[in-house]
Amino acid sequence: NAGVTQTPKFQVLKTGQSMTLQCAQDMNHEYMSWYRQDPGMGLRLIHYSVGAGITDQGEVPNGYNVSRSTTEDFPLRLLSAAPSQTSVYFCASSYSSGIGLSYEQYFGPGTRLTVT
Amino acid sequence: AQSVTQPDIHITVSEGASLELRCNYSYGATPYLFWYVQSPGQGLQLLLKYFSGDTLVQGIKGFEAEFKRSQSSFNLRKPSVHWSDAAEYFCAVDPPMDTGRRALTFGSGTRLQVQP
Repeated sequence: NAGVTQTPKFQVLKTGQSMTLQCAQDMNHEYMSWYRQDPGMGLRLIHYSVGAGITDQGEVPNGYNVSRSTTEDFPLRLLSAAPSQTSVYFCASSYSSGIGLSYEQYFGPGTRLTVT
Repeated sequence: AQSVTQPDIHITVSEGASLELRCNYSYGATPYLFWYVQSPGQGLQLLLKYFSGDTLVQGIKGFEAEFKRSQSSFNLRKPSVHWSDAAEYFCAVDPPMDTGRRALTFGSGTRLQVQP
């Protein structure tokens, strides 16, 4: 298994450009999520999905769109990039083994995005 | 509001000394609790997790954490720190089971520096 993969690893955008950060997992996990990491702020949840076709907003969703057409993929779209979106982006997936049972989040390696 | 607090932004310890990193949460019920470590330029690695049961949890790399319900705390400890432990440490929670979100709320992180 490759686990959670993210592409690209690095990206530089100009203000106003759009792009899609790719995230894929091959573990058949139901749950996927996107976080951004900024110095001194930890990781903050952007969007999450509890299954194919179901997405919802996290703490900092503005400026980002997501969709989940398959279990494997959960792309994050930046509609019109702004310098405030300069960050490191992490995708994660997890499973649910049933109510009351444990689970674990698996993180991708991250995408470092710079918006100039 | 639900939150996770790591009160120490930066900690320096000598190699071989003991370590305790603090984490407090504010939720009505006990959430799932996690500690992650991130080395510079790297992704996140899970150190340990708590769901229920024994309040002292053992993790990888010689780390342990103790859940104290009365203090809403989940502090990370290591009896003897190695130079390779220098990294940033994040406490994270997943709200109680009934939210079904399976996404994490992170503290702002504690950067650990180890002196020779």
